[in-house]
Amino acid sequence: DTAVSQTPKYLVTQMGNDKSIKCEQNLGHDTMYWYKQDSKKFLKIMFSYNNKELIINETVPNRFSPKSPDKAHLNLHINSLELGDSAVYFCASSQLAGELFFGEGSRLTVL
Amino acid sequence: GIQVEQSPPDLILQEGANSTLRCNFSDSVNNLQWFHQNPWGQLINLFYIPSGTKQNGRLSATTVATERYSLLYISSSQTTDSGVYFCAVNGNQFYFGTGTSLTVIP
Repeated sequence: DTAVSQTPKYLVTQMGNDKSIKCEQNLGHDTMYWYKQDSKKFLKIMFSYNNKELIINETVPNRFSPKSPDKAHLNLHINSLELGDSAVYFCASSQLAGELFFGEGSRLTVL
Repeated sequence: GIQVEQSPPDLILQEGANSTLRCNFSDSVNNLQWFHQNPWGQLINLFYIPSGTKQNGRLSATTVATERYSLLYISSSQTTDSGVYFCAVNGNQFYFGTGTSLTVIP
């Protein structure tokens, strides 16, 4: 059983389109995250939810909107995709400040 | 936020060699983790080590929280050890270093 799973693993799309990435964790954790990893490999936090409540919202364009229907799921919707949105997006979860676990990543390519 | 610095940024090793990766952080933290990002992009948990020393096979890690650093030791390196090693600390959120890119050549 995959602890943190995200789908799809690959997205290739045109500029201006809208796309969503889904994430689910079966670890029973209260806190979930979205990270963006650019071509230089730097991991930048985008959002964090604790028990469905948004607790971290870094400087991210409004085109990015997270949604957490329950504490086991955190989805990311991106509107009006731009070339600069091309990256690998990682979902992660932890029990508050405990050990962090990552999903396998979703590689987004915007053409 | 907490600054996390990793060194060296890049490392090339001959298979069988040993290495030490360092992570310095700028403030007190609740926990510290080491991750390995393999060439396929997966982020694999190596150690959850807020303080003390842990060993897992050829890898071991030591965190000296009072001096704000952690070390990751890789002994008898193998080509499968190649990838990027990240250190992450948690204050009020997780902060990542910029990683050490390790290449092990046969």
